[in-house]
Amino acid sequence: SQTIHQWPATLVQPVGSPLSLECTVEGTSNPNLYWYRQAAGRGLQLLFYSVGIGQISSEVPQNLSASRPQDRQFILSSKKLLLSDSGFYLCAWSEDRVTEAFFGQGTRLTVV
Amino acid sequence: KNEVEQSPQNLTAQEGEFITINCSYSVGISALHWLQQHPGGGIVSLFMLSSGKKKHGRLIATINIQEKHSSLHITASHPRDSAVYICAVRSYYGGSQGNLIFGKGTKLSVKP
Repeated sequence: SQTIHQWPATLVQPVGSPLSLECTVEGTSNPNLYWYRQAAGRGLQLLFYSVGIGQISSEVPQNLSASRPQDRQFILSSKKLLLSDSGFYLCAWSEDRVTEAFFGQGTRLTVV
Repeated sequence: KNEVEQSPQNLTAQEGEFITINCSYSVGISALHWLQQHPGGGIVSLFMLSSGKKKHGRLIATINIQEKHSSLHITASHPRDSAVYICAVRSYYGGSQGNLIFGKGTKLSVKP
């Protein structure tokens, strides 16, 4: 069966520090991968999606970047965190654009 | 105006009550998801609908494609149902490969 792992679950980082959140999927190949963010009081918003290794599309301009070094690995990064980067980050995957989506447990990031 | 609107934003119920959460959307969709987000942040997919009705235990989800409306019902509610319930739609259109558009969620508290 397919599973998705996302870590860490919580993270407190100082302003200006780097960030790396990792998401891995098991039990499937060539999934569509997504990073979403939920800011306080708002719904989840798509940050990045990837349809294959090395293929990253960004939905909104921001202080973050994403990479897909392997088929089932999706990494969210920042070189220097801002206070506004605080929020709940969620990784998800689906087989294609119409099938069910599956979600990681999420990472609650607090930038202090 | 958000593309996905949920109501109510907050809902408090007594244990045993029948609960309804509503979701309206303004875009053409290929599917609609109901998700449950627990206090720790982890998200679980409850249903994916493209038409009609689905039932799983005490949960029932319905969708009316013509009216662009979906409802999530919980029968015989229990305190363990307390969570944020999120409606998300997968739009036909746009450049993103199957990304979801999320509502802001409905926070449900069930009192014993």
